[in-house]
Amino acid sequence: NAGVTQTPKFQVLKTGQSMTLQCAQDMNHNSMYWYRQDPGMGLRLIYYSASEGTTDKGEVPNGYNVSRLNKREFSLRLESAAPSQTSVYFCASSEVDRNQPQHFGDGTRLSIL
Amino acid sequence: SQQGEEDPQALSIQEGENATMNCSYKTSINNLQWYRQNSGRGLVHLILIRSNEREKHSGRLRVTLDTSKKSSSLLITASRAADTASYFCATTLWSYIPTFGRGTSLIVHP
Repeated sequence: NAGVTQTPKFQVLKTGQSMTLQCAQDMNHNSMYWYRQDPGMGLRLIYYSASEGTTDKGEVPNGYNVSRLNKREFSLRLESAAPSQTSVYFCASSEVDRNQPQHFGDGTRLSIL
Repeated sequence: SQQGEEDPQALSIQEGENATMNCSYKTSINNLQWYRQNSGRGLVHLILIRSNEREKHSGRLRVTLDTSKKSSSLLITASRAADTASYFCATTLWSYIPTFGRGTSLIVHP
């Protein structure tokens, strides 16, 4: 099984450019998430979607937008990239259940110059 | 904001030794989970321990939970070079969304 697939794996942008990070899961999970991981900061939740058609802000939503395209796909968009958004971005999925684990993709490494 | 804090931040041991890392948290929890992250990869779930459990085992992994001290430990016995990774604890309370700590970086030397 593919699990959670993220594209692209690497991207370099210039300040002010826009881009969309794609995520798809094949585990029929209801809930999907976007995190960013910065050195020494652990994982910080950007946005999440508990089900198709719903999205909610996490800890650090500013500068990002999301779309839950269908049950499988959850995209993250940077409208006007800033150097502070240089990070590794992880998508995850899970059941809506406190006792079920999250399943992660392998990340998108994004550099903004 | 992080709920769990792992300790130590970094750990370096020889193959065959045991590795112990700890997680302290601030509020009550429903469960605590441990994840592993290999370099350049996403997090992989290792084990979940519920607040009414004190110890769980999975292969060479042993997790303990002390709710009175608000702490958990992850013990990896007979470490292998392949155990080199970062290890994160994550806690849940009312929400199904876990809050992750900053992680412990483990290096196992062959």
